[in-house]
Amino acid sequence: QKEVEQNSGPLSVPEGAIASLNCTYSDRGSQSFFWYRQYSGKSPELIMFIYSNGDKEDGRFTAQLNKASQYVSLLIRDSQPSDSATYLCAASSGSARQLTFGSGTQLTVLP
Amino acid sequence: DTAVSQTPKYLVTQMGNDKSIKCEQNLGHDTMYWYKQDSKKFLKIMFSYNNKELIINETVPNRFSPKSPDKAHLNLHINSLELGDSAVYFCASSQVYSSNQPQHFGDGTRLSIL
Repeated sequence: QKEVEQNSGPLSVPEGAIASLNCTYSDRGSQSFFWYRQYSGKSPELIMFIYSNGDKEDGRFTAQLNKASQYVSLLIRDSQPSDSATYLCAASSGSARQLTFGSGTQLTVLP
Repeated sequence: DTAVSQTPKYLVTQMGNDKSIKCEQNLGHDTMYWYKQDSKKFLKIMFSYNNKELIINETVPNRFSPKSPDKAHLNLHINSLELGDSAVYFCASSQVYSSNQPQHFGDGTRLSIL
């Protein structure tokens, strides 16, 4: 059973702080990793994707991938109340070509 | 313009009924998916279609039957609805059938079984 694990939270950070969201995956064959943001009652929205070990930055967001440790993270710098949402981590395996999602981490940014 | 659109947005019905959910994407994508999100927010793949052909059929009761008349449409028909079918159903699409492709989601259909 291929799994993607996330801490469900809730994770609370003050406005302006760095929010750190973590994800581990069990399938060593996973090649691509995605972070989605889902506001309450809304659809998942793609934030970032990463394929290679290391860091990938896009604005206030940085995705980090460590394939040896089977670990993916998302850092949100200068957190804003509008970042309050559930963040879903997903891993895609090359063979199955489908996404396996974690259960999400609920983030609250306090003004 | 809505990229992936689903109808209806809400569906409230009684146990035992049959219902359908429609999905259309105007992104020109080849691959479409159906996901189920339960009350614990777990998003689980149900079906995947590539160019109208069924690719993935996860362990889903055969009461659920997808149908893709063309690559821009993927509908989901559910027979004999049960209480456990209550969930949010999301349609998604990706450009090609590849593990590297991000998926774009519709707004979801909230199905409630009375």
